[in-house]
Amino acid sequence: DAGVIQSPRHEVTEMGQEVTLRCKPISGHDYLFWYRQTMMRGLELLIYFNNNVPIDDSGMPEDRFSAKMPNASFSTLKIQPSEPRDSAVYFCASRTRDRLLLSGNTIYFGEGSWLTVV
Amino acid sequence: KQEVTQIPAALSVPEGENLVLNCSFTDSAIYNLQWFRQDPGKGLTSLLLIQSSQREQTSGRLNASLDKSSGRSTLYIAASQPGDSATYLCAMRRGNRDDKIIFGKGTRLHILP
Repeated sequence: DAGVIQSPRHEVTEMGQEVTLRCKPISGHDYLFWYRQTMMRGLELLIYFNNNVPIDDSGMPEDRFSAKMPNASFSTLKIQPSEPRDSAVYFCASRTRDRLLLSGNTIYFGEGSWLTVV
Repeated sequence: KQEVTQIPAALSVPEGENLVLNCSFTDSAIYNLQWFRQDPGKGLTSLLLIQSSQREQTSGRLNASLDKSSGRSTLYIAASQPGDSATYLCAMRRGNRDDKIIFGKGTRLHILP
């Protein structure tokens, strides 16, 4: 399997523009997570989905952020309008449902989308 | 509020030495604890996962331990190598009905050749 695939890898945009980050989870994984990483705050969970349904979006910073998962193989994280304080690395991760085998509980991360808003 | 703390934030160690990275968490009712490695500009790679019923896990030169009562986990790296230089993060998951994984901010490790 190719692993969790994110695009774009790098994005530089102007304040006020719309940003769309994309994620393809590992095939067969039931859970998809969106995280944001900054030096100050570390890794923060923004939202996660189970079987394409958003379960907890309490980490989404404000209404400018939205996430969708239209099918099991694709998710988007959208920021509209973007602001300089949104500059961060955004990670997508996925895992299977809990299983007796420990490997089933491992979460797999993509390489991240590096966003800079100027 | 659940918190995961990693101290120190950065560590430099001469090559060949054994070392221990520390992780502490505030909630003893954890489901599992996981250690990750992150290289610059890359995503996170899972190293070891310890279920709450276990006390340790080993993989090669790495050994992770878990002490729920004290709220601590350690990652032991034996015979360190320059290739071990990276940021190491620990993450806890609270319960089997709670899918959230809470991360520490990591320890940035530099192995001196």
